[in-house]
Amino acid sequence: EPEVTQTPSHQVTQMGQEVILRCVPISNHLYFYWYRQILGQKVEFLVSFYNNEISEKSEIFDDQFSVERPDGSNFTLKIRSTKLEDSAMYFCASNQVAGLGTDTQYFGPGTRLTVL
Amino acid sequence: DQQVKQNSPSLSVQEGRISILNCDYTNSMFDYFLWYKKYPAEGPTFLISISSIKDKNEDGRFTVFLNKSAKHLSLHIVPSQPGDSAVYFCAASAIFQGAQKLVFGQGTRLTINP
Repeated sequence: EPEVTQTPSHQVTQMGQEVILRCVPISNHLYFYWYRQILGQKVEFLVSFYNNEISEKSEIFDDQFSVERPDGSNFTLKIRSTKLEDSAMYFCASNQVAGLGTDTQYFGPGTRLTVL
Repeated sequence: DQQVKQNSPSLSVQEGRISILNCDYTNSMFDYFLWYKKYPAEGPTFLISISSIKDKNEDGRFTVFLNKSAKHLSLHIVPSQPGDSAVYFCAASAIFQGAQKLVFGQGTRLTINP
């Protein structure tokens, strides 16, 4: 069964460093997303991406964040200068036909980011 | 921002009995609702969904009920099994500027006791 994959599973970094989290969405999906979950809190939407551009972003997704689809399979989230409060689980998700609003998003296993 | 709320942080149910998880929402723009199950250190796994044009959707042991007038949905699991022990998230979906965005509740930790 196709699934969303994410690497690395755990990333430890120093405050101020840049990190890139990687995702491989399901191959025939067209819409890609990043969410995050700070420990003990709810899963929060960060950004959606379609047709090589951002469709929508939350207020969390400030200038320190960027997303890219560098090739036909990978979807990346970059944090330019990490802060302590960026420590969280980051989930990638994808779906096929988001435009209908009734298409299920499938999630990857997550990357645990720890900023020291 | 409490657009989607799950008021019970935890629920404990005897194996074989019915588990009922509840979720409330405030935004009338939501038109699609999903339940996800999550184990520690894993991503949310899709369980079942319902469109706002329906009031019930059933898939095996799982049934989701939607009461639009009350802005309330519930997930019924019957019979409950030990493998159902996990955190369950309710999520609501709407289209914003052509993009789908999921808004999650806080989650309910379900424990099934043998």
